[in-house]
Amino acid sequence: NAGVMQNPRHLVRRRGQEARLRCSPMKGHSHVYWYRQLPEEGLKFMVYLQKENIIDESGMPKERFSAEFPKEGPSILRIQQVVRGDSAAYFCASSPRDRTNTGELFFGEGSRLTVL
Amino acid sequence: GQQLNQSPQSMFIQEGEDVSMNCTSSSIFNTWLWYKQDPGEGPVLLIALYKAGELTSNGRLTAQFGITRKDSFLNISASIPSDVGIYFCAGQHLYNFNKFYFGSGTKLNVKP
Repeated sequence: NAGVMQNPRHLVRRRGQEARLRCSPMKGHSHVYWYRQLPEEGLKFMVYLQKENIIDESGMPKERFSAEFPKEGPSILRIQQVVRGDSAAYFCASSPRDRTNTGELFFGEGSRLTVL
Repeated sequence: GQQLNQSPQSMFIQEGEDVSMNCTSSSIFNTWLWYKQDPGEGPVLLIALYKAGELTSNGRLTAQFGITRKDSFLNISASIPSDVGIYFCAGQHLYNFNKFYFGSGTKLNVKP
């Protein structure tokens, strides 16, 4: 999938634990998006980040969820005190963006979180 | 929030048939993207469209960016079993290009 690397591919957590999902964008891409997908459903926008900046987090739940994209290293989506409803596939996508702000999104393979 | 209406929700066709699916929006979009997702995998970009009226092909796939900038369609000609999967449209809003909005998907089943 065009070089966007996500890990882990599968993660199992018990209720109340923390989940950390990582995403390394394609080389040269500095824009990262996180999406959530429930079974048999489409992709729901969560957050858009550039290096060291959260640009748009309007899709993030108000509590327990946070995201970062540090200057060095991958983007991290963190879910604290997970509940069963957090079970889903979480996809990261990166975009090259050009000066006109149009671009394409390239997705990783996803991280599938199961909360027991 | 922004809604993309994608139809049909699912299709059952015979191998060799042509397929058409479309997406409509109440807002004007800057970019239309079409993706295919196989089970357990991430979406793979098939076609990207940037201009109103643009018609772009990728092998047996053809997609068009509607003139009104509020719709797009994807055609698959001479379908084969490996076309099975879920197809998503995605649009980048003209005035809010931070987000890419996704349709709910078209599930394609191809009978050999």
